Amino acid sequence: AQKITQTQPGMFVQEKEAVTLDCTYDTSDQSYGLFWYKQPSSGEMIFLIYQGSYDEQNATEGRYSLNFQKARKSANLVISASQLGDSAMYFCAMREGRVWGSNYKLTFGKGTLLTVNP
Amino acid sequence: DAGVIQSPRHEVTEMGQEVTLRCKPISGHDYLFWYRQTMMRGLELLIYFNNNVPIDDSGMPEDRFSAKMPNASFSTLKIQPSEPRDSAVYFCASSPMPTSGGAWTGELFFGEGSRLTVL
Repeated sequence: AQKITQTQPGMFVQEKEAVTLDCTYDTSDQSYGLFWYKQPSSGEMIFLIYQGSYDEQNATEGRYSLNFQKARKSANLVISASQLGDSAMYFCAMREGRVWGSNYKLTFGKGTLLTVNP
Repeated sequence: DAGVIQSPRHEVTEMGQEVTLRCKPISGHDYLFWYRQTMMRGLELLIYFNNNVPIDDSGMPEDRFSAKMPNASFSTLKIQPSEPRDSAVYFCASSPMPTSGGAWTGELFFGEGSRLTVL
């Protein structure tokens, strides 16, 4: 079974509008972390936002916010006021394992290609 | 501050040749990861190290792949012999250990990747 599922291979949004990118995850750990990374066409991986499983508030970073619904095991990324430069591939990822342990790794979803139209 | 440095950025080689990819992690980071990205399989974790010791190599595809980390500032991923299906972008990433009282997330800091084409 996939640990991270991104059901939207591609999404389109009009410039200045908000868009939600979906991510669901599967884990039996109580302590875990969720990440979103952006990969523009140039290829680098850019960290956007992080949500810990024990964080009560939804994470926000500028125009990015993470809609964390623990019971539904979803961690959707919301981008407000989309810009042309937001056009990129977006990956959801999960870190399982104990925070203070030495055994952890990030598992990535397949990604969603976002296109922002002018 | 210097980020994760990978070399070469691009490599084109012929089937059967040995390929060596190199990575210099961010100074002070204790974890180092090698990922492979392809259209078909997405981002796959190949292997990761903690304090230069390999922790999990279950993602290494087969014996043709090997990775080493001789010291805290250098790692290599070697493919010998290379095959066309090894064509991919190989990313190195590093991450610091958690510190007491710190806001550690486990975020990975990625290099720019090495694009490998095996003809």
